Formats: sequence, structure tokens, C-alpha cells
Amino acid sequence: EPEVTQTPSHQVTQMGQEVILRCVPISNHLYFYWYRQILGQKVEFLVSFYNNEISEKSEIFDDQFSVERPDGSNFTLKIRSTKLEDSAMYFCAAQRNGADTQYFGPGTRLTVL
Amino acid sequence: AQKITQTQPGMFVQEKEAVTLDCTYDTSDPSYGLFWYKQPSSGEMIFLIYQGSYDQQNATEGRYSLNFQKARKSANLVISASQLGDSAMYFCAMRETRTTSGTYKYIFGTGTRLKVLA
Repeated sequence: EPEVTQTPSHQVTQMGQEVILRCVPISNHLYFYWYRQILGQKVEFLVSFYNNEISEKSEIFDDQFSVERPDGSNFTLKIRSTKLEDSAMYFCAAQRNGADTQYFGPGTRLTVL
Repeated sequence: AQKITQTQPGMFVQEKEAVTLDCTYDTSDPSYGLFWYKQPSSGEMIFLIYQGSYDQQNATEGRYSLNFQKARKSANLVISASQLGDSAMYFCAMRETRTTSGTYKYIFGTGTRLKVLA
């Protein structure tokens, strides 16, 4: 069964550095999402993306965050200048047109030192 | 505002017994969807089961069933014949109103940590 994949599985970075988290969604899925989960807390929505545009974003998704799908397959989340509080698990999710279920990737654990 | 509530931070169940994980929700939207995800210690989010607000019957997927009580706004997950591998965090989620582009976000509950005892 096709899966959403994410790289890297774990990223350690220094505060103030830029990070790019990558996701390869399922090929026939059209809607993409990023969520994050701070350790021990619930999963929070960051942004949704369709047709190369942001569809909706949360208040967490400020100017430090950006998303793009540069080559039609990879879906990336960039954090320009990481802060300690950005440390979390970041999940990519994909959804097929007309379906309700989002399928999540295995996550990238981001640690900001 | 839409909201998901999971009131059980932790649950224990004996292997081979059934367990119910509670989830209540609040929404004014007549069309919504409810989901359960399993998060093992490795961290990934595994989709278990889905219930649409207009579905007449409770959803079932193997050992998982969703006890959907619309009037009470509850969507409890029932796991039958628990196995040691069921030990994990379980999240209830609801999809919010679809945007004009067709996307929607999930809102999640705080989760229930289930421990299956041998």
C-alpha cells in the first residue's frame, strides 16, 4: 500500500538555523498538510496546501514558516530561523480528492538546541 | 468552535479483553467526520477508523469499531480482543469545515495512552 514518506526522521539544529523538512506524498493525493506535535502534547494543524497554494494556515504558521512543492512530488516545510520552541515532531499528511481521510507520514523529529 | 475531548489520559486493559476509549466532540456543522489514530512509541500516526456524520451504521475495521452516538456527540473507539501490540497512544480527531479549495484541517484530542497487560 502506498505510504507518505518523510525525511529526515530526526533533525538536530542550532537555534537560528534554517531547516527544511521533506515529504513525499502518495502519488494520487492532491491535498497536503503539515501538523506538529510538541512532545507529550496533542497534534496541531499548521498548514494545508492544494494546487501549489496555501489553502489554510494556523496562527502557529507565521512568517518563519513556508511550504512549497518544488518539483511536483516533494512537499517541503521550511523554518527560516528556528527557535527552541520549534522542537517538535512534524507530520506531513496527504488526502485524496473526494476522500475524508488524511494519511500521515512517519514524522520528522526536530530538535532545536 | 469545534472541539474534541478525550477525558481518559491513561487506560489499562488485560490482554484478550475489550476496551473502550472515550471521545466526545462539539460542532455546529451538520457535515463532519470523526477519526481515530494510533501512535505507538515510535511516533508515527496510524489511521484506524473513520465515521462520517451521515453514516447510518457504526464503522468497523477488524478488531476496531466506533461506537457513534450522534445525539450524545460521542465517538468512542472499541478495541476487541486486545493484544500487547495495541499498547500505544490513541487520538480522536475531527475534520473541520472544508475550505473552498477542498482542504480541511483536523482537530485532535489530547489522546489516551493505552497499556495492554499480559
